[in-house]
Amino acid sequence: GAVVSQHPSWVICKSGTSVKIECRSLDFQATTMFWYRQFPKQSLMLMATSNEGSKATYEQGVEKDKFLINHASLTLSTLTVTSAHPEDSSFYICSARSLQENQPQHFGDGTRLSIL
Amino acid sequence: GQNIDQPTEMTATEGAIVQINCTYQTSGFNGLFWYQQHAGEAPTFLSYNVLDGLEEKGRFSSFLSRSKGYSYLLLKELQMKDSASYLCAGLDSNYQLIWGAGTKLIIKP
Repeated sequence: GAVVSQHPSWVICKSGTSVKIECRSLDFQATTMFWYRQFPKQSLMLMATSNEGSKATYEQGVEKDKFLINHASLTLSTLTVTSAHPEDSSFYICSARSLQENQPQHFGDGTRLSIL
Repeated sequence: GQNIDQPTEMTATEGAIVQINCTYQTSGFNGLFWYQQHAGEAPTFLSYNVLDGLEEKGRFSSFLSRSKGYSYLLLKELQMKDSASYLCAGLDSNYQLIWGAGTKLIIKP
């Protein structure tokens, strides 16, 4: 089945640090990748939709300058949390979808980010 | 507006059958997905329905009624490992997924 690799799995770092998270589709081409955030015991919250070769579309309330998204190829998207603060601590999950729009999104294993 | 409704929590007994319902309102409709999410893990894909009827995959089945804006996920022969959250998500006319808040399923011995 479709495999999406996300790393790192977890990050602990000091406040003010920038953190980059990578999301790769391993066995299919993903024209669209999605970045989600999930706080404990809460539902998935879509942060942004990333299309290969174009600017990401951010959901309302998500700061573009804080959460930088790059989707440079059909198999790789990155999310950089710039100058992270404790309130950014969360579970960040990427998903990827193949060319056909009605195909399921396949999720990476997620990145648990803890900012001290 | 777009909305996905599903129960917050359900409890069932090991070996039994449970049905998790989902009602949806989306701008256009291109199908409905069910995902399973264990605590602390990312969601995994379970099923996709775009036509009316029942799709069966082993112990799991998913049903769709487009006229009623309704779907359910049926889990048979429940096992302890089925304890998880089950997420219902509708695909709208722009092929955007509209997520439900998830149903936490607790399996008791």
